Amino acid sequence: AQSVAQPEDQVNVAEGNPLTVKCTYSVSGNPYLFWYVQYPNRGLQFLLKYITGDNLVKGSYGFEAEFNKSQTSFHLKKPSALVSDSALYFCAVRAVWDTNAGKSTFGDGTTLTVKP
Amino acid sequence: DGGITQSPKYLFRKEGQNVTLSCEQNLNHDAMYWYRQDPGQGLRLIYYSQIVNDFQKGDIAEGYSVSREKKESFPLTVTSAQKNPTAFYLCASSGSGLSTDTQYFGPGTRLTVL
Repeated sequence: AQSVAQPEDQVNVAEGNPLTVKCTYSVSGNPYLFWYVQYPNRGLQFLLKYITGDNLVKGSYGFEAEFNKSQTSFHLKKPSALVSDSALYFCAVRAVWDTNAGKSTFGDGTTLTVKP
Repeated sequence: DGGITQSPKYLFRKEGQNVTLSCEQNLNHDAMYWYRQDPGQGLRLIYYSQIVNDFQKGDIAEGYSVSREKKESFPLTVTSAQKNPTAFYLCASSGSGLSTDTQYFGPGTRLTVL
């Protein structure tokens, strides 16, 4: 069975500071990894994904994530946080061998609050 | 939210009633999905469909039913058999249902049982 852990329910950072939202995963075989953001009462918006290749993935709105196979992690980062980045962030994992995209497993989410 | 629409945005249901949530996409995607989101929890897969006239149960299908008569549409019925239906429901689609696909989500429907 595959699983995702987002160990922090809440992350607070000051505007302009770097931010990190943590994600670790467990999957049989190689993973595909995704980050999504959700604003209140809205659907999820895709930020970035790791499929293969470079371990550092760049995505929307200045976000990036680093795939670390030995630590089974895929932490989301941004060099300089904005107040508008405040939202709920979800990490998701999918097994490479599983042909069904719907078989993603999502973490419980991390609420990011950026204070001015 | 891309080209996926969900309606209504808010829905109230009385005990014992069936209700149907609408999901339409104009992205020409083959695969569509229904998720349930509860506070403090991640998304849980209810049903998914990789092609018209075919669908599969997800992790929490009991008390729900779906149909996929058209490529663009994937309605979800919450039946009276679903004991705790109050939740936020999200519909998603992806291009071909492959594991590399990005899923695109609709804006959601918040269902409340009165």
